Amino acid sequence: QVQLQESGPGLVKPSETLSLTCTVSGGSISSYYWSWIRQPPGKGLEWIGYIYYSGSTNYNPSLKSRVTISVDTSKNQFSLKLSSVTAADTAVYYCARARDGVGATIVSPFDYWGQGTLVTVSS
Amino acid sequence: AIRMTQSPSSFSASTGDRVTITCRASQGISSYLAWYQQKPGKAPKLLIYAASTLQSGVPSRFSGSGSGTDFTLTISCLQSEDFATYYCQQYYSYLALTFGGGTKVEIK
Repeated sequence: QVQLQESGPGLVKPSETLSLTCTVSGGSISSYYWSWIRQPPGKGLEWIGYIYYSGSTNYNPSLKSRVTISVDTSKNQFSLKLSSVTAADTAVYYCARARDGVGATIVSPFDYWGQGTLVTVSS
Repeated sequence: AIRMTQSPSSFSASTGDRVTITCRASQGISSYLAWYQQKPGKAPKLLIYAASTLQSGVPSRFSGSGSGTDFTLTISCLQSEDFATYYCQQYYSYLALTFGGGTKVEIK
């Protein structure tokens, strides 16, 4: 059974960089898309971006200037960096897996998710 | 980006009820639509993909329909464990994946 686990600081200061890692166990990181999704307290889901195991990426246009997602296949991990954070970036951050898409899309829905980790931006 | 609008945003229902949630896309997305269920403090769980295909292990009381811009999620006989928030997500525009705002199903 595939499992995803987020890790990283729970508190980040304004203007600094948020860094999280997702460790994948029970399966290979190869041949899938790996994504970050966040959810501000009491609000809905926002897709941040995804990376293919080969390293190609796509980011949410609204966050693109601040986001970097990378993958380390040797460790079965992928990571998120979000720079210049503000209080608006306070959220539960989830990592998730998607299969290759079919037809007109390259990515399928998210079938496995981590449990999520709350990151608070505050001085 | 394609905007996904869910309605209603919340409603109350009783165990045994048949309930329907609607999701509308701001432009056509064919059948590239997924539904998720999220319970408090938990990660979302994939219920349906390709608008109407049930994810493995999901009870058959859940069903989805629609294509183009209008989609529905139906729970044929609401169970106690179904009280949760439901989200739709389009994956047609794979450069900008988007979710609906969510529909909270509460106990009447």
